Amino acid sequence: AAGVIQSPRHLIKEKRETATLKCYPIPRHDTVYWYQQGPGQDPQFLISFYEKMQSDKGSIPDRFSAQQFSDYHSELNMSSLELGDSALYFCASSPPRTSDSYEQYFGPGTRLTVT
Amino acid sequence: LAKTTQPISMDSYEGQEVNITCSHNNIATNDYITWYQQFPSQGPRFIIQGYKTKVTNEVASLFIPADRKSSTLSLPRVSLSDTAVYYCLVGGLFSGGYNKLIFGAGTRLAVHP
Repeated sequence: AAGVIQSPRHLIKEKRETATLKCYPIPRHDTVYWYQQGPGQDPQFLISFYEKMQSDKGSIPDRFSAQQFSDYHSELNMSSLELGDSALYFCASSPPRTSDSYEQYFGPGTRLTVT
Repeated sequence: LAKTTQPISMDSYEGQEVNITCSHNNIATNDYITWYQQFPSQGPRFIIQGYKTKVTNEVASLFIPADRKSSTLSLPRVSLSDTAVYYCLVGGLFSGGYNKLIFGAGTRLAVHP
């Protein structure tokens, strides 16, 4: 079965650089969520998109922005990177029946290292 | 969103049944209880979700008492591959992409040979 695809899997950037993370949800899933998980920490919700519109926002820094495109893939853009941005970034998607389930399907994550 | 409290860690042995209890005293009427599993460096994986009484699937059972102020995830006959962090989440369900997952401190389960 198709799963959530994230690219790149690993990314190394220097401070103050920019990074773009990509997420390809499971086909026919209409909602995409982004989560950040720092070393030894629990995942933290960043932002979500439903039918290509931003639906909810969490603790996402102003330096970050995201969007969902017409083909439902999503990109997380990160600028002025800081050392504290080093983390695993997960994308998750869920099918149209989101009103009766918290079941989300997570991708393998992108490990971002800021040096 | 209701606050949840779980044990920080648990130890078990292969073949045993493991029960992880989560407290959620401030659960709201329309809140559901959901459990996720996470292996190191992997994305969380949905295990089970329930509203009241008992829910069972091919992986686990979820027991919810009548007052719904706690819930227990039951893993039958665990194996070494069940070593992971288990998260209990509580929240209402909405349409339109508003079902974000709010992870608290999970339970780190270690299964020993």
